[in-house]
Amino acid sequence: NAGVTQTPKFRILKIGQSMTLQCAQDMNHNYMYWYRQDPGMGLKLIYYSVGAGITDKGEVPNGYNVSRSTTEDFPLRLELAAPSQTSVYFCASSPGGQETQYFGPGTRLLVL
Amino acid sequence: GIQVEQSPPDLILQEGANSTLRCNFSDSVNNLQWFHQNPWGQLINLFYIPSGTKQNGRLSATTVATERYSLLYISSSQTTDSGVYFCAVEPWDDYKLSFGAGTTVTVRA
Repeated sequence: NAGVTQTPKFRILKIGQSMTLQCAQDMNHNYMYWYRQDPGMGLKLIYYSVGAGITDKGEVPNGYNVSRSTTEDFPLRLELAAPSQTSVYFCASSPGGQETQYFGPGTRLLVL
Repeated sequence: GIQVEQSPPDLILQEGANSTLRCNFSDSVNNLQWFHQNPWGQLINLFYIPSGTKQNGRLSATTVATERYSLLYISSSQTTDSGVYFCAVEPWDDYKLSFGAGTTVTVRA
C-alpha cells in the first residue's frame, strides 16, 4: 500500500492564481481530511469528508474548496491564491470517525 | 472549540536521557493521538490513546481522560528522536482533530 499520497510536493503560485492540490489514499478509508500547518504551529483542519459525495468545513475553510467524487481521492482547490495561504498542506485519512488518522507527506505552497 | 496545550515548548536532551512531554486538553475526548514530525516534515503516528497506557519500544504514553491530560515518555533518547511532537484530540461529538502547538525536541549526541 502506498498509503496517503499528495502531489505536488512543492509549488510556487502568484497572487490570484488557482491550483488544485491532489490527495489519494489506497486504504479504502471512508474519512479524509485537509490540514494546513503554518511555520512553528500545529495543524489546523480546513475541510473533511466522511465519504464520497459528503464534505464539511473545518476550522479554516475560507479560500478553499473540496470535492469527493470517489473514496480514494480528495482534491483541495485554491481559487484565488493569497500570501496568507502560504503554508504546508497535509492530507490525511482514517477508516472512520474518531480513529487513527494517517497523513500524507505534505505539499509546500508559496504564494508570492 | 477544544483547547490543547503542550509543554514544554522546547526540550534539549543529551543522547541517552529520558524525558516526559505533557498534553492538557480542555474537554472530554474520544480520540487522542501523539505524532512525531521529523525534520523532513513527515508526520508519523506514534500512539492512538484516548485512555490508558501503551508502549512501543522506547516510547510510551499514558492518557488520564478523567483529568484531561496525556503524557508521552521518551526513554534512552537517540538523535533520531529529534523533531516536533504533537498531541491531537477529538471531542466526543465531533470528527475534527485539534492539534496542540507541539514540543520541539532536540537530542544531542
